[in-house]
Amino acid sequence: DQQVKQNSPSLSVQEGRISILNCDYTNSMFDYFLWYKKYPAEGPTFLISISSIKDKNEDGRFTVFLNKSAKHLSLHIVPSQPGDSAVYFCAAKRTGANSKLTFGKGITLSVRP
Amino acid sequence: KAGVTQTPRYLIKTRGQQVTLSCSPISGHRSVSWYQQTPGQGLQFLFEYFSETQRNKGNFPGRFSGRQFSNSRSEMNVSTLELGDSALYLCASSLDPSYEQYFGPGTRLTVT
Repeated sequence: DQQVKQNSPSLSVQEGRISILNCDYTNSMFDYFLWYKKYPAEGPTFLISISSIKDKNEDGRFTVFLNKSAKHLSLHIVPSQPGDSAVYFCAAKRTGANSKLTFGKGITLSVRP
Repeated sequence: KAGVTQTPRYLIKTRGQQVTLSCSPISGHRSVSWYQQTPGQGLQFLFEYFSETQRNKGNFPGRFSGRQFSNSRSEMNVSTLELGDSALYLCASSLDPSYEQYFGPGTRLTVT
């Protein structure tokens, strides 16, 4: 059972435009969400997170939006740069003891110069 | 501060053998988690250790095991290797389980 879903396997955008990466979850107990970026031959790098008490969190060019009623979150990258080309993983967890991170399958973002 | 280190980076084994992978967390981090990444499957959780105790375990067969030492370093072991065990094995550390995880570069295991 895939509790965190990234339904689009890939996304291609032009440099300077906005990249919108989507993620859906099914477990209503999840209350903390994270995005990781992964380059080939490297481990995932933490990018940005959001708690369920907020609906938006911003860090430079990266903004994550959370819609709890729809069980949907999205990562916006503005403006997109060629160096943003990577695989992006959405992850979710329920805070508290004995809670593990559940990852989506990832989406490959390609930013065209 | 040094990041998470994993050794070895690459490994080739044959079916039926066993393998041990090592992970050294960021200094001060006491929580270590292990993940398996295969094409099209994302990161699948193996297990999590905190202060030498296994706190969580994923849906993997008993051939997969791990442990954590008093210095927070962790090892995972896979016995009786199968072709399907070929994957990138990632280790992540955090201050404690409620904090963001920081990943190592992974160990690429190929089973032939």
